Amino acid sequence: GDSVTQMEGPVTLSEEAFLTINCTYTATGYPSLFWYVQYPGEGLQLLLKATKADDKGSNKGFEATYRKETTSFHLEKGSVQVSDSAVYFCALSYGGSQGNLIFGKGTKLSVKP
Amino acid sequence: DVKVTQSSRYLVKRTGEKVFLECVQDMDHENMFWYRQDPGLGLRLIYFSYDVKMKEKGDIPEGYSVSREKKERFSLILESASTNQTSMYLCASSFGASGRPGEQYFGPGTRLTVT
Repeated sequence: GDSVTQMEGPVTLSEEAFLTINCTYTATGYPSLFWYVQYPGEGLQLLLKATKADDKGSNKGFEATYRKETTSFHLEKGSVQVSDSAVYFCALSYGGSQGNLIFGKGTKLSVKP
Repeated sequence: DVKVTQSSRYLVKRTGEKVFLECVQDMDHENMFWYRQDPGLGLRLIYFSYDVKMKEKGDIPEGYSVSREKKERFSLILESASTNQTSMYLCASSFGASGRPGEQYFGPGTRLTVT
């Protein structure tokens, strides 16, 4: 079945460091791909998405490119801040009327000043 | 702004009690979802609903039931709470086929402890 695999955390970085969180997927069709973020004590919120191959999603300095040839959607940010400390979830969806998401297990990021 | 609210942030119940978790959304979304979140396991879908009075089982429905009598409200019911249901419960909502598939809006979560 379809699945999403993320790099295991926790990831600890210093402020202004470069961030990469790896995400690969297994899919039988052509899903849309998403990154959700969960800040401490909150629910998840959509960070960015890409709906087809070679699309790049971006938001708040984060980027991810939908790579069909490597079945990947890695999250990157050039310079992280303490406020980026959160848990990041990669997910896929085929859409349709129900739009169910298949999530990875999440990667916890801690950014130290 | 889309708002999804959950009835409690923290809840402590005893084994065997019937537990109701309520979720309300204010964006007229067709779809609503209940997940549980556990360390090392990520989010797992319990039940979802794509219309009033409609429900579908997710990946882990055992021990749970749901109710959707009104479009904006989706309730999760633990018929007889057990300690292995101690978890964080997250509700979410999204547009149906006419909207943006996969874009879900989440509530803040209810941390349930069953003793």
